Amino acid sequence: GQQLNQSPQSMFIQEGEDVSMNCTSSSIFNTWLWYKQDPGEGPVLLIALYKAGELTSNGRLTAQFGITRKDSFLNISASIPSDVGIYFCAGQLGNNDMRFGAGTRLTVKP
Amino acid sequence: NAGVTQTPKFRVLKTGQSMTLLCAQDMNHEYMYWYRQDPGMGLRLIHYSVGEGTTAKGEVPDGYNVSRLKKQNFLLGLESAAPSQTSVYFCASSWDREGEAFFGQGTRLTVV
Repeated sequence: GQQLNQSPQSMFIQEGEDVSMNCTSSSIFNTWLWYKQDPGEGPVLLIALYKAGELTSNGRLTAQFGITRKDSFLNISASIPSDVGIYFCAGQLGNNDMRFGAGTRLTVKP
Repeated sequence: NAGVTQTPKFRVLKTGQSMTLLCAQDMNHEYMYWYRQDPGMGLRLIHYSVGEGTTAKGEVPDGYNVSRLKKQNFLLGLESAAPSQTSVYFCASSWDREGEAFFGQGTRLTVV
């Protein structure tokens, strides 16, 4: 079954607001990745995290690999309309298995 | 640069019919994956391959078979389609097991 718990399931925010979403698990992951999916498209990588405690930024996006290796968060600052989409966390287990969270659907109101 | 290409993009099957989904990547990646995406479930791994001639089961392999006869292609087969296999299927490839996965645009399959 699903090993990653991603929250919130959906968010409705005003343009300019900051956004925060996270993933937690009972399993230890070697890698955490955050993807964004636009309608009718496949997911596209936003940020990859490879070390426990790592904090990485990509423009207005910031993500952290939890120190316990069981969680990660993604923050988006000063949201804009093109941030709309579904955001997925993904974690790499010790084998070749990559597991995905259920996604956070983000809606940005102009 | 095509990246990951999936064919077909849409398909409607009758229960019991068979079909093959084709995934092709032009990035010389070793790893390839097939996922299915269902509402509220995220992406679930069906099968994956760590190189030409290899395949392995993922999280939800039942009812599917795969083959990786050529490094650039990864085929997903449904021998006897069931309504529970109605989903959007995504193929992905990556250079190594911890690196970025590049996804295709998806195949929307409906089984009636």
